[in-house]
Amino acid sequence: EVRVVESGGGLVQPGGSLRLSCAASGFTFSSYWMNWVRQVPGQGLVWVSRIDADGNIADYADSVKGRFTVSRDNAKNTLYLQMNSLRVEETGVYYCVRVGLPYYFYYMDVWGEGTTVTVSS
Amino acid sequence: QSALTQPPSASGSPGQSVTISCTGTSSDIGAYNYVSWYQQHPGKAPKLIIYVVNRRPSGVPDRFSGSKSDNTASLTVSGLQTEDEADYYCTSFAGNNKLIFGGGTKLTVL
Repeated sequence: EVRVVESGGGLVQPGGSLRLSCAASGFTFSSYWMNWVRQVPGQGLVWVSRIDADGNIADYADSVKGRFTVSRDNAKNTLYLQMNSLRVEETGVYYCVRVGLPYYFYYMDVWGEGTTVTVSS
Repeated sequence: QSALTQPPSASGSPGQSVTISCTGTSSDIGAYNYVSWYQQHPGKAPKLIIYVVNRRPSGVPDRFSGSKSDNTASLTVSGLQTEDEADYYCTSFAGNNKLIFGGGTKLTVL
């Protein structure tokens, strides 16, 4: 079964840091670009970051650039999102999402169940 | 980059058709055929239902169809069923290696 499972969410104070992980299984992880997408409770989806299959190219939403870092360990089939200087408005469910092939069609075909991040004092 | 514009709500009776619009600009929807649509039931993760404007992943009923004209993409759900009641989100490539989502549309099956 193709699946991705997020972990690492929790409660953090404004200005704090958190690292999310995403374990992939059931497919050749090293062949796929991956995304992180955030959903604020009761609101819509926001694209956060993307990384290429080799881990050499990373893109970010303007709002997180310089504070968030996406990375991957293809040997461990794991995706990461290091989040620093967190803001209250970044509270939400963070989804790990696989980019469908070919990657330049920019669609997301496998979603995890998400991990909840709460930024609050 | 501003979010794509979707109507907050849409509705239809079982068996009817409903179309949800997604309006962008000449820099995103108008520039690329990389529009996709996602269905999200309450408490669940989103699910891909349309990609590259009008392609359906395997397993998605052909009641779901997509189209695009100029800066606006559309999702049509034909033969509405009660299980189609969900939130629907569009997304588009926006250049500069960015993706943008629409604000979402809550579809109610009356």
